[in-house]
Amino acid sequence: EAGVVQSPRYKIIEKKQPVAFWCNPISGHNTLYWYLQNLGQGPELLIRYENEEAVDDSQLPKDRFSAERLKGVDSTLKIQPAELGDSAVYLCASRDSLKGEQFFGPGTRLTVL
Amino acid sequence: GNSVTQMEGPVTLSEEAFLTINCTYTATGYPSLFWYVQYPGEGLQLLLKATKADDKGSNKGFEATYRKETTSFHLEKGSVQVSDSAVYFCALGNSGYALNFGKGTSLLVTP
Repeated sequence: EAGVVQSPRYKIIEKKQPVAFWCNPISGHNTLYWYLQNLGQGPELLIRYENEEAVDDSQLPKDRFSAERLKGVDSTLKIQPAELGDSAVYLCASRDSLKGEQFFGPGTRLTVL
Repeated sequence: GNSVTQMEGPVTLSEEAFLTINCTYTATGYPSLFWYVQYPGEGLQLLLKATKADDKGSNKGFEATYRKETTSFHLEKGSVQVSDSAVYFCALGNSGYALNFGKGTSLLVTP
């Protein structure tokens, strides 16, 4: 079974530039999460989707961050414009509702210069 | 709200030593508890879980018991190996909601 796929793995941009991250969850997983992981910290939720609906985006900085999950499968997270403080690892996860377990992708490490 | 506190690292042990990483939690309701492991350069992997009080999760020689009376879920392993060097995260979750993670504990096992 393929795991959660994310791309790109690494991204370096200059501040004020836009950036986008892509996630393909495990097949059949209806719940998808985007987490932010700062250096030396545990992941923190940005947004949670149930199918194509964003059911928890309270922690998403909506002035510069946006996300979508068209057709309830793949998802894209966008930052525009990026700031220095956005440098972090962006993790995507999907949930096996039967086992109650979340599976994480390898993450995208963003560096904003 | 929900929160997780785990012991700060780094933890350095010799090979074959006994490992304990403490984790305590604050939660509403009856969450499931998890330990995730992050090896260098890799993503988070689920190590073990427990879904109710007194459950013991186990995997790869690691164990943790869901203790409701002490609100704890300490990770233990009887004999660590160099290959266990990684960062370990304790987390709790209610149903499909997002996981609440601790800050992580870095473990270094030396030969």
